Amino acid sequence: DAGVTQSPTHLIKTRGQQVTLRCSPKSGHDTVSWYQQALGQGPQFIFQYYEEEERQRGNFPDRFSGHQFPNYSSELNVNALLLGDSALYLCASLLAGGPEQYFGPGTRLTVT
Amino acid sequence: QKEVEQDPGPLSVPEGAIVSLNCTYSNSAFQYFMWYRQYSRKGPELLMYTYSSGNKEDGRFTAQVDKSSKYISLFIRDSQPSDSATYLCAIPAGGGNKLTFGTGTQLKVEL
Repeated sequence: DAGVTQSPTHLIKTRGQQVTLRCSPKSGHDTVSWYQQALGQGPQFIFQYYEEEERQRGNFPDRFSGHQFPNYSSELNVNALLLGDSALYLCASLLAGGPEQYFGPGTRLTVT
Repeated sequence: QKEVEQDPGPLSVPEGAIVSLNCTYSNSAFQYFMWYRQYSRKGPELLMYTYSSGNKEDGRFTAQVDKSSKYISLFIRDSQPSDSATYLCAIPAGGGNKLTFGTGTQLKVEL
């Protein structure tokens, strides 16, 4: 049973550029959440997708957007990158209504 | 006041010691309490979770919730060097169960 997968593993971008990160949830899970983790901090909730709709959103600007596909996989897009967007981006999958959330290995984004 | 607070450590213990990791939270409506382990440069791994008050044991790990004090703990018995990691408490809230995390406690178990 494949767990949560994310791609790419690492990414280096320049300020002002745009980036797309991808996530495939654990088999049987229908909901995907995205988190940003700065160095030395706990993950911060960005948003959650269920039934191809954004269901909840944390305190992140509109530069952060996402999408969920019919196969439940998801993308996170960040526009107009800032140096402060450098972080580990984590995807978590869960079955709607359940508490258990399983994380992927993350994508480490560096903005120069 | 943050919703979930956790001492960042670092915490260094000898192999075989009992480790106690703790978090406090502010919202008495929280029902589930999760513990994740995160190795360096990896994603968090769900260790265990509890519902409401009481204890839950899984091998060398015990999770404890005291709702009257809004205090959650993770105990690790017979700690091993492989337990060296950052331990994150997390509480799901809201209709979608978005997780609010503590800052994580960095644990080092030394030979």
